[in-house]
Amino acid sequence: GAGVSQTPSNKVTEKGKYVELRCDPISGHTALYWYRQSLGQGPEFLIYFQGTGAADDSGLPNDRFFAVRPEGSVSTLKIQRTERGDSAVYLCASSLESGPDSPLHFGNGTRLTVT
Amino acid sequence: RKEVEQDPGPFNVPEGATVAFNCTYSNSASQSFFWYRQDCRKEPKLLMSVYSSGNEDGRFTAQLNRASQYISLLIRDSKLSDSATYLCVVNPSGTYKYIFGTGTRLKVLA
Repeated sequence: GAGVSQTPSNKVTEKGKYVELRCDPISGHTALYWYRQSLGQGPEFLIYFQGTGAADDSGLPNDRFFAVRPEGSVSTLKIQRTERGDSAVYLCASSLESGPDSPLHFGNGTRLTVT
Repeated sequence: RKEVEQDPGPFNVPEGATVAFNCTYSNSASQSFFWYRQDCRKEPKLLMSVYSSGNEDGRFTAQLNRASQYISLLIRDSKLSDSATYLCVVNPSGTYKYIFGTGTRLKVLA
């Protein structure tokens, strides 16, 4: 079946602009995660959704970052007033259940470049 | 101390060699452990879960040592196609976060 889908695959934006990154999880997966990965580093946790609600947003670096999942399926990560330091690959993952034994399935990521 | 630590490598090994990576974690109450594989400019993909009793999948063996708080991955008979970054993932107790290590780069040489 279809995997996790992320759009766009690449996004170049100017410093100070607003961007939205979209994630379409695997059908039926209730848990959805956003991670950010910089070159040479492992994925860094940003936020976790269980259904429509953000169950843990402790990884969001500051209030310029916000994510929603209004119908419990597609999620959008929103970044306001982008900074060059926001440049990274933003990865979305979903899992069948929320729980420690449910591995994550990742999308291909959105490569964000802030110039 | 980082929550999950890995030696970044690179580990350069000849084809057919056996290679092992360790990963240490700081939260002694962590409950779930995984190894993911990530190819260059691709997304991480689940390689295997790590169970308390240790588990094997073909040429790959994963082990958990709770007393010393580390997990290991052993790859036997390395293939060129095993060249990738191997990410250690830990789920701390009481959370749904999955914490990733920085990854260990493996290069298998012909």
